[in-house]
Amino acid sequence: DMKVTQMPRYLIKRMGENVLLECGQDMSHETMYWYRQDPGLGLQLIYISYDVDSNSEGDIPKGYRVSRKKREHFSLILDSAKTNQTSVYFCASSLLGGGAETLYFGSGTRLTVL
Amino acid sequence: AQSVTQPDARVTVSEGASLQLRCKYSYSATPYLFWYVQYPRQGLQLLLKYYSGDPVVQGVNSFEAEFSKSNSSFHLQKASVHWSDSAVYFCALSYGSSGNKLIFGIGTLLSVKP
Repeated sequence: DMKVTQMPRYLIKRMGENVLLECGQDMSHETMYWYRQDPGLGLQLIYISYDVDSNSEGDIPKGYRVSRKKREHFSLILDSAKTNQTSVYFCASSLLGGGAETLYFGSGTRLTVL
Repeated sequence: AQSVTQPDARVTVSEGASLQLRCKYSYSATPYLFWYVQYPRQGLQLLLKYYSGDPVVQGVNSFEAEFSKSNSSFHLQKASVHWSDSAVYFCALSYGSSGNKLIFGIGTLLSVKP
């Protein structure tokens, strides 16, 4: 079954706390992505990973870092979370990362930073 | 710079009516274009994509879209909508040196009245 799994689904943190969002995929896809979704802004790319330990900044990387130590897992880390990082975060994967490829999305993590 | 514009934030139609959701893009090269759908509390799923050839592309669930280079548009259409089509629809464009980054429009919320 082709699936992208995100944990947790909901998360509430206080400003200044560290946050770890986890993502897994069972399709052996090379490329994985982290997006955030905000009302009126659509989805914005935070980071893209082309394979293990091969990560690249997206359009809004400030305040975030990522880790990919296994092809099937991709983590998003917020060191000292800020209130403006309250958002819905989506992980996605694609087979190779080419321009015409389909992205497969997880169901998202709704993060609230108080 | 590349961009995707969805001019209608919200569209309401009656069940059985036809539908058009508009998408305009700005990109200097030949675009890869996508429509994704997001059902409540779920991640995005691909409806259809265009990258060359016949400008009319067929997608899942009887959706189709027409690419127009002259109008820089990629409008989504359906002849007869069902209440289950109620969702948020995102138009997206693939860009980057290897085409592996997507830029999304802000989305159009479709409400289908029974």
